[in-house]
Parts: sequence; structure tokens; C-alpha cells
Amino acid sequence: DTGVSQNPRHKITKRGQNVTFRCDPISEHNRLYWYRQTLGQGPEFLTYFQNEAQLEKSRLLSDRFSAERPKGSFSTLEIQRTEQGDSAMYLCASSLAPGQGSDEQYFGPGTRLTVT
Amino acid sequence: RKEVEQDPGPFNVPEGATVAFNCTYSNSASQSFFWYRQDCRKEPKLLMSVYSSGNEDGRFTAQLNRASQYISLLIRDSKLSDSATYLCVVGRFGNEKLTFGTGTRLTIIP
Repeated sequence: DTGVSQNPRHKITKRGQNVTFRCDPISEHNRLYWYRQTLGQGPEFLTYFQNEAQLEKSRLLSDRFSAERPKGSFSTLEIQRTEQGDSAMYLCASSLAPGQGSDEQYFGPGTRLTVT
Repeated sequence: RKEVEQDPGPFNVPEGATVAFNCTYSNSASQSFFWYRQDCRKEPKLLMSVYSSGNEDGRFTAQLNRASQYISLLIRDSKLSDSATYLCVVGRFGNEKLTFGTGTRLTIIP
């Protein structure tokens, strides 16, 4: 499968615990994005990387959230001291940069987080 | 006011009918426009890009009115498989941040 993959697909955690999600983009894509989607809403942008550089963070990304893409390939999103309001689907997407071909964003299946 | 607004529906439409979705966006600097489709508990997938000249892909026609900041999607001869949530999406130049509407839920009734 050459699409975007995310692990784990589901995570249940207790309030106050830390969680980490992983995203593996399409191999030739140099851009990687994180979005969050809650029930009945569209996805909301969190942050994006071009190669290993994190170029933009949404104000939705509080200081409890950190994302990394250390080698410009896979990315991790960590949430520290989880709160019930963090319960959502966390979606990763990848694309080529503009000018390198189609910049369509391809989404992974998401990680569904439930904080109890 | 949300950056992208669309009627959440639900739209319940008989098979074979024509259905139209509309959305408005507030940021006049938006450069790219899309309709995404999202099936229940699945990831969003690009349905089509939207251009000022309008574009058509089979039974689907999308239109952009930059002056009114309005985007539309028309589905003709609807099929049961068209049942999904349709997300109106706008992007900035370079497409690095997509802003999604809340989605419009469509159910095609046999």
C-alpha cells in the first residue's frame, strides 16, 4: 500500500496521560500536514512540515501538542497531559510542494483518540 | 463567522435526482478551492478542484464565483454510492493550509 498510513488507528487513554501518533506519508511527498476532526465538523488544520522544517502551527496547537518530522519522512504528533477535549480524529495528509507536480493533499485513515 | 460555511444538511434525495450544494468563504485572499468527499468514519478524499471557469467531471459540476465568494457543486443522476458527506474546502496560495467547511451530509434514497 503506497498511501498515507497512520498508527495507531485507535487510542484510548486516561486524562492526564501522554500519547504519541505516527504518520508515514507517501514516500515522494515532501509536505506533511496534521489536522484534527471532531464529530460533525470538518478537519481543522494543526500544523505542516516541508521536509523536516515545521513551517506553520495553528493556534489550536497548544503547548501540550508537539509535532516532529526529524528526517523529513515520517512524523509524530505528541499530546501531553491529555484532556477530554482532545478526543478527536487526528488526520495526517501529505503532498508534493507547489511546482513539483500536483499539490493535492492525500489523507491517511486517521487515529481516533478517546480520552476518558 | 466561520471561514467556510455550508449547509450541514442532511439532504435526503431520491436516486436519479439532481442535488446542489453551496458554500461561501470569507477570506478573499483564498487561492484554491475544492470539494472533498468523506464517507462515514473514513478519511476525506478529493472529489474535484474548482475553477472560476467551472469544471465538470462526469455527473459532477463545480463552479466558483470569486466576486460573491461562493462555491457550488451539482450532482446529476444521483447514485446510491453518492451517499457521503461533501466538504467545501479553500486553500491559500501554495495550498499549505486547507480550511474545511463543516460538510453537508447527503443520503441517496433508493
